Amino acid sequence: NAGVTQTPKFQVLKTGQSMTLQCAQDMNHEYMSWYRQDPGMGLRLIHYSVGAGITDQGEVPNGYNVSRSTTEDFPLRLLSAAPSQTSVYFCASSWSGTSTDTQYFGPGTRLTVL
Amino acid sequence: GQQVMQIPQYQHVQEGEDFTTYCNSSTTLSNIQWYKQRPGGHPVFLIQLVKSGEVKKQKRLTFQFGEAKKNSSLHITATQTTDVGTYFCAVHNFNKFYFGSGTKLNVKP
Repeated sequence: NAGVTQTPKFQVLKTGQSMTLQCAQDMNHEYMSWYRQDPGMGLRLIHYSVGAGITDQGEVPNGYNVSRSTTEDFPLRLLSAAPSQTSVYFCASSWSGTSTDTQYFGPGTRLTVL
Repeated sequence: GQQVMQIPQYQHVQEGEDFTTYCNSSTTLSNIQWYKQRPGGHPVFLIQLVKSGEVKKQKRLTFQFGEAKKNSSLHITATQTTDVGTYFCAVHNFNKFYFGSGTKLNVKP
């Protein structure tokens, strides 16, 4: 099993550009989520999904879109990149998203917006 | 918003010294999880605490859940350079996981 994979590993964008961060998992997990990690602020939840076709907002959803057309994939779209979106982005998955589930994280995407 | 406060933000210790990080919530928790993130890496699950007053050990790491289920701590005895990283607690509320801000541990050899 590859676990949770993310592409790309690094990305530099100019302000106003759009892009999609890819996330895939091969563990048949129902729950997937996106976090951003900024210095001193821990991991903040952007969006999450409890299953294919179902998504919902987390703590910091503005400027990001998600969709979940399959169980395996959960892409994160930046509509119009801003310097404030410079961060490290982690995708995570767990079996069903209940409080006792272990979350498995991908390796992360380091994004810089100029 | 932030569901759990974590302190300290940073801790620098000499190898062999002990280390403790604390997580505090204003509400009663159903459970709490702890994760470790090595420098340049991604968070990795360490352990979960569910019961009031629960204490679990993993080698030199001791995890405690408060009697009121509002706080938790991670204690490392005799730190080693392999303990370097950021330690996060995480709690759950209505389908969402909330992470503490993390404690970054640096160990001087």
